[in-house]
Amino acid sequence: NAGVMQNPRHLVRRRGQEARLRCSPMKGHSHVYWYRQLPEEGLKFMVYLQKENIIDESGMPKERFSAEFPKEGPSILRIQQVVRGDSAAYFCASSPGPVNTEAFFGQGTRLTVV
Amino acid sequence: QQPVQSPQAVILREGEDAVINCSSSKALYSVHWYRQKHGEAPVFLMILLKGGEQKGHEKISASFNEKKQQSSLYLTASQLSYSGTYFCGTGGGNNRKLIWGLGTSLAVNP
Repeated sequence: NAGVMQNPRHLVRRRGQEARLRCSPMKGHSHVYWYRQLPEEGLKFMVYLQKENIIDESGMPKERFSAEFPKEGPSILRIQQVVRGDSAAYFCASSPGPVNTEAFFGQGTRLTVV
Repeated sequence: QQPVQSPQAVILREGEDAVINCSSSKALYSVHWYRQKHGEAPVFLMILLKGGEQKGHEKISASFNEKKQQSSLYLTASQLSYSGTYFCGTGGGNNRKLIWGLGTSLAVNP
């Protein structure tokens, strides 16, 4: 059973471009969480999705950021018109149930905006 | 609302013990503990739920004081592999998301 797969591991974008981050949860997991982490800081919750539904997006910036978890395929975190401040590590985690179950994290995507 | 972890950093010699604390100003339903090594993904250690239920690994122990809204992670007979940053995530009863502390950096030296 493969772990949570995130790709790409590293992504470089110029200001104004779009960034697409992908997360394939563990088999059998229908709950996905996206987090953002800056160097030497903790994890900041962004969004919680459960197959085709956004359950909680209170941590997502109102503009330029969107997330989806389609019936088929990986979860996608999309950042439009990236700015330097978007540079960070983005982690996704999946779990078989709601938040009070063990979550498994992917290796993260390190986004650098130049 | 962000839980406060203490201490911020700990340096141990192999075999020594350490306690990492996580305190919240809000009523807690659950506390989650993860360890992250530099450049890697966080790894699950323990979940403590209101009412006393615990889910975790055999070599890790933790406590959850619901009245004080705090949790402590106990690392005994530390090994080099224990080095990393320990994060606590706290959950309310709404079962939606966790709020994470800033982490405690632990270095275990030979």
